[in-house]
Amino acid sequence: DGGITQSPKYLFRKEGQNVTLSCEQNLNHDAMYWYRQDPGQGLRLIYYSQIVNDFQKGDIAEGYSVSREKKESFPLTVTSAQKNPTAFYLCASSIQKGGNNQPQHFGDGTRLSIL
Amino acid sequence: DQQVKQNSPSLSVQEGRISILNCDYTNSMFDYFLWYKKYPAEGPTFLISISSIKDKNEDGRFTVFLNKSAKHLSLHIVPSQPGDSAVYFCAASEGGSQGNLIFGKGTKLSVKP
Repeated sequence: DGGITQSPKYLFRKEGQNVTLSCEQNLNHDAMYWYRQDPGQGLRLIYYSQIVNDFQKGDIAEGYSVSREKKESFPLTVTSAQKNPTAFYLCASSIQKGGNNQPQHFGDGTRLSIL
Repeated sequence: DQQVKQNSPSLSVQEGRISILNCDYTNSMFDYFLWYKKYPAEGPTFLISISSIKDKNEDGRFTVFLNKSAKHLSLHIVPSQPGDSAVYFCAASEGGSQGNLIFGKGTKLSVKP
């Protein structure tokens, strides 16, 4: 079954620790994205990647890092430099090539909490 | 400054009636608009989109209207069903789907039986 898989669904982190959120897609999509959602807020873009081995900062990249070594995978590391990491993190992917506009499709998210 | 605004945090509608969700934007360069539906603790699900060359797009019970001069779009759900109860996000991008999406804060729709 094709889709976007985020793991784990819930994650707890101690102060000062780095933590990595997984995102895998088997849709053969070119582009992948990481968003953060806070209560009562819309989604805000953290990082995005339109092609393997290349990625760009979004609106709120500080305290986060990513890698895109494979087309299917786009892990997000929340570093200790991120001062307010508690949030719901969403990964998305989309087709980039072709003449028609294509929507982004989302995984089911990872909720990160600080202990 | 918010580029995509959903000014109604919540909306309550009776089952079978029409639900109208509104969205305003400020960036005249936006040319691709989407609506997503989101249940708690799940990712958003794509509903319907429209490009700026059109003023209406329909898919079953869902219709999106775009008024470029007013920088306004709306999502109509007819007839509304209890299963439509969710948070609806409006999103927009510049450069079609090649551009990054800017999201509104969402409107929580409650459809009462």
